Amino acid sequence: DAGVIQSPRHEVTEMGQEVTLRCKPISGHDYLFWYRQTMMRGLELLIYFNNNVPIDDSGMPEDRFSAKMPNASFSTLKIQPSEPRDSAVYFCASRGDEQFFGPGTRLTVL
Amino acid sequence: AQSVAQPEDQVNVAEGNPLTVKCTYSVSGNPYLFWYVQYPNRGLQFLLKYITGDNLVKGSYGFEAEFNKSQTSFHLKKPSALVSDSALYFCAVRPYLSGYNKLIFGAGTRLAVHP
Repeated sequence: DAGVIQSPRHEVTEMGQEVTLRCKPISGHDYLFWYRQTMMRGLELLIYFNNNVPIDDSGMPEDRFSAKMPNASFSTLKIQPSEPRDSAVYFCASRGDEQFFGPGTRLTVL
Repeated sequence: AQSVAQPEDQVNVAEGNPLTVKCTYSVSGNPYLFWYVQYPNRGLQFLLKYITGDNLVKGSYGFEAEFNKSQTSFHLKKPSALVSDSALYFCAVRPYLSGYNKLIFGAGTRLAVHP
């Protein structure tokens, strides 16, 4: 198995633009998590899904953030419009018996 | 509030010496406890976990962790450090109140192993 796959690995965009981050979880895992990592705040859980259904989105910072999981093999995290304070590394993770993390997407909003 | 504390921002140790990375938690009930490691520009990798049973759990790369319920601690240890162990280490808990679903992470401790 290739593990959790995230794309793009790096994204540089300008303030106000829409950003879409993508994640392919490990096949057979029924939980999917989106995290954000910054120096100031550390690792924050944004949202998680169980069997493609959003269970807890209490960590989503604002309405500018949205996440979807249309099927068991794909999820997106969208920021619209993006702001410089959204700059961070965004991780997707999936869980069967254990939780495995993707390599992350480093987002820079200018 | 549920939280995980890693009191040391950085731990420095000489290669070959034992290492300890500290973790305490404040969570109601009996949480699941974890250690993850993060290498530069990589995602987090699972090292070990404690759910129940023996207080000393063994994990990947020769690491082990000791659960102490009375002190609500879960310190990570290794008898002999390697330079390649240098990385960022995260302690995490999955509380009962979250249905054991949500991982709450500590701030991380940077381990530097010197030759």
